Amino acid sequence: AQRVTQPEKLLSVFKGAPVELKCNYSYSGSPELFWYVQYSRQRLQLLLRHISRESIKGFTADLNKGETSFHLKKPFAQEEDSAMYYCALRMIKAAGNKLTFGGGTRVLVKP
Amino acid sequence: EPEVTQTPSHQVTQMGQEVILRCVPISNHLYFYWYRQILGQKVEFLVSFYNNEISEKSEIFDDQFSVERPDGSNFTLKIRSTKLEDSAMYFCASSEAWREGYEQYFGPGTRLTVT
Repeated sequence: AQRVTQPEKLLSVFKGAPVELKCNYSYSGSPELFWYVQYSRQRLQLLLRHISRESIKGFTADLNKGETSFHLKKPFAQEEDSAMYYCALRMIKAAGNKLTFGGGTRVLVKP
Repeated sequence: EPEVTQTPSHQVTQMGQEVILRCVPISNHLYFYWYRQILGQKVEFLVSFYNNEISEKSEIFDDQFSVERPDGSNFTLKIRSTKLEDSAMYFCASSEAWREGYEQYFGPGTRLTVT
């Protein structure tokens, strides 16, 4: 069965400092990995997916299949990055397509 | 930009009562999902739905739960006889397709409180 682990429940950093959110997964096949973000009082929204290999809002994430990790990084955190971040995994197969989420990491960026 | 909507935003019900949570997925999407998040816990998959059938369901989704697409726009989750442990945030999601690269768009959630 697939599993996603986010070891940090809370990350508190100062504005301008780097931030790294850890995500490890276990899955025997080849997964699709995502980072979702939930700003205060807003819905879950997709931040990044591993297949697009792009930078969104200064965030990047690299899938490391050897270490089964998909850590999210930003070199210079901004106050507007304060939010809840969820790592998620999906197996691509016919129709089922469920997302398996990690427990989430709350990021607090202090001025 | 089109969004998934959910009603109500908050539902309070007594144990043993039936509740129906409503979702309007994005109009051209074909795949629909329900997830829930008990306070302080992970977002958990409940069920996926396509072509008027359940595609996959989790072990949480027992006989007390059912889903329906009663018309061309709504997607509902019914809990037949609510228990205290059903108290959670329930999220609806939809996607255009299931293939790699097609994301799931989430609604704002319905907070269900069972007393």
